[in-house]
Amino acid sequence: LAKTTQPISMDSYEGQEVNITCSHNNIATNDYITWYQQFPSQGPRFIIQGYKTKVTNEVASLFIPADRKSSTLSLPRVSLSDTAVYYCLVGENSGGGADGLTFGKGTHLIIQP
Amino acid sequence: DAGVTQSPTHLIKTRGQQVTLRCSPKSGHDTVSWYQQALGQGPQFIFQYYEEEERQRGNFPDRFSGHQFPNYSSELNVNALLLGDSALYLCASSPPFYTGELFFGEGSRLTVL
Repeated sequence: LAKTTQPISMDSYEGQEVNITCSHNNIATNDYITWYQQFPSQGPRFIIQGYKTKVTNEVASLFIPADRKSSTLSLPRVSLSDTAVYYCLVGENSGGGADGLTFGKGTHLIIQP
Repeated sequence: DAGVTQSPTHLIKTRGQQVTLRCSPKSGHDTVSWYQQALGQGPQFIFQYYEEEERQRGNFPDRFSGHQFPNYSSELNVNALLLGDSALYLCASSPPFYTGELFFGEGSRLTVL
């Protein structure tokens, strides 16, 4: 499984755009990049997934360069409620379920007023 | 439509005891994965169940065992509890045709004294 590296913590302010970058130098051809959000004492929640280029949904965008060795989660106009831990995961979408996706320590994002 | 439900939400055990945690997957999901999350760490994959069989296992000792029932619900059993087993235990489910999104429950907080 490809290992991921992301900043331990980040600070920003309400209304700003926040970009969290994840490094995954050993990503395999069949691997997808997935981001989860976790609030204290809750289970992680899926944010977005991509394979290459750019993916956008109602809450975030995911930018993946051509070499796929890194990815950037972009959160537009953050609010206080976006304060959470964000995890970058790399793995295959295989079979009937995720094959033991590996979570790192994540990025603790703190949004200030 | 209920999401992933776990029970109990909190429990306290003493060293050497045994514990059983329960998980009901989201409706329509047939695969259940279990994760252990220690304080300040990311979730660590324990094992995954599909068609009532353990399909994949993480780096956890045999004290950790599980079961999946015909209705796709699952149990996690931990024997001979150690202080280091204190953690949030998360259950995640995924549908038959996995699209990259795991659905997590709120977790069971286990404290071992």
